[in-house]
Formats: sequence, structure tokens, C-alpha cells
Amino acid sequence: KAGVTQTPRYLIKTRGQQVTLSCSPISGHRSVSWYQQTPGQGLQFLFEYFSETQRNKGNFPGRFSGRQFSNSRSEMNVSTLELGDSALYLCASSLQVMNTEAFFGQGTRLTVV
Amino acid sequence: DQQVKQNSPSLSVQEGRISILNCDYTNSMFDYFLWYKKYPAEGPTFLISISSIKDKNEDGRFTVFLNKSAKHLSLHIVPSQPGDSAVYFCAASQGAQKLVFGQGTRLTINP
Repeated sequence: KAGVTQTPRYLIKTRGQQVTLSCSPISGHRSVSWYQQTPGQGLQFLFEYFSETQRNKGNFPGRFSGRQFSNSRSEMNVSTLELGDSALYLCASSLQVMNTEAFFGQGTRLTVV
Repeated sequence: DQQVKQNSPSLSVQEGRISILNCDYTNSMFDYFLWYKKYPAEGPTFLISISSIKDKNEDGRFTVFLNKSAKHLSLHIVPSQPGDSAVYFCAASQGAQKLVFGQGTRLTINP
């Protein structure tokens, strides 16, 4: 059974650009959540999608958005990139809603220069 | 507002000894707690969890203790092994709400 797959693994963007990250959950999992990890801040919750609907949202500006497709794959988009957006972005999937064990992908390392 | 806090950024333990990682939370409505382990260049992997109706859960070398009155949980690893060197995150959730993570503790097991 394949795990959570995130693409790309590494990304370098320039300030002001936008970026789209992709996450394919474990087959059969319907919930996908996104987290931002920065040194000293732990994992900050961005949003959660379940059956193509956003269920929960963290305290991030509107530049951060996401969506989920009918096959449960999810994308997150960050517009007008800032240097502070440099982080590891992690996607997690779970069978149902995000109150049980979540399985994480390896993450996408985004560097904004 | 950091609802889940891991106040020790790092911890160093000798191989074979007990490792104790601590986590405090502020939201008394949290009813499910988890520990994740993260190696460099990998995503976090689930380690062990505990429901708020329990005060202890054990899985092999790993035991999680929950003290609801103190809003504190801890992860004990006995005996500690070199492969346990990683960053450990505690997380909490309330009902079907999002998982809230702590900042992580980097555990180093010394031979």
C-alpha cells in the first residue's frame, strides 16, 4: 500500500511568485491536512479537507489556499510568496476526519529567495 | 496562542537509560493525544496515542502517561536505543477537530 506522496520534494521560488504543492493521500483515505513546519514553531496547521470540502482552517493569511479533488488528492497554493514562507510543508492523510492517527508524507521543502 | 507546548527543545540521554519527553497543554477540551517521531528528510510517523479516558498507554518500549489535572503528558522510552534519536512531537485534538502540535523535542541517544 503506497504511502502519502508529496510533490515536488524541493522547490526554490522568488519573492512575489506563487507556488502549488501536491499531495496524494493513502488509497481510501478521505481526509487530507496540510501543515507548515519551521524551526522552533513545530507543525502549524494550515487546513484540512474531507470529501472535497474544507473542514478546518488554521490561522494563516488568505495567500494560503487549498483544494481537494474527487479522488482525494489535494493541492495547496501560496500566492505572492514571502521570505517567511520558506518552510517544510507536510501533508497528512487519514481514513476519516483528522482526530485519529494521521499518516504524513515526506514533505515539500520550499525555499523563497 | 500555543495550546500544546514542549518546553524542552532538546534532550540527550545515554543508550539503555530512560528517555522522558514532556508536553503540556492548555485546552481542557482536548480528548485525544498522540506522539509522533520525525527523522530528518522524512515526514512524522505515528508512535503512540492515548485517549483522555485513560492515564496510561503502553506499546513495547514506549509508554505515554496523561495527567489531566495537570494538563500534562509524557512519553517514556525504555530502554533508549540509538535509533530513537529523532525529533518527537506531541499532538492533541478535540473531537473531530484538527490536530494541534507542539514545537518538538530533539532527542539524542548517546552510545
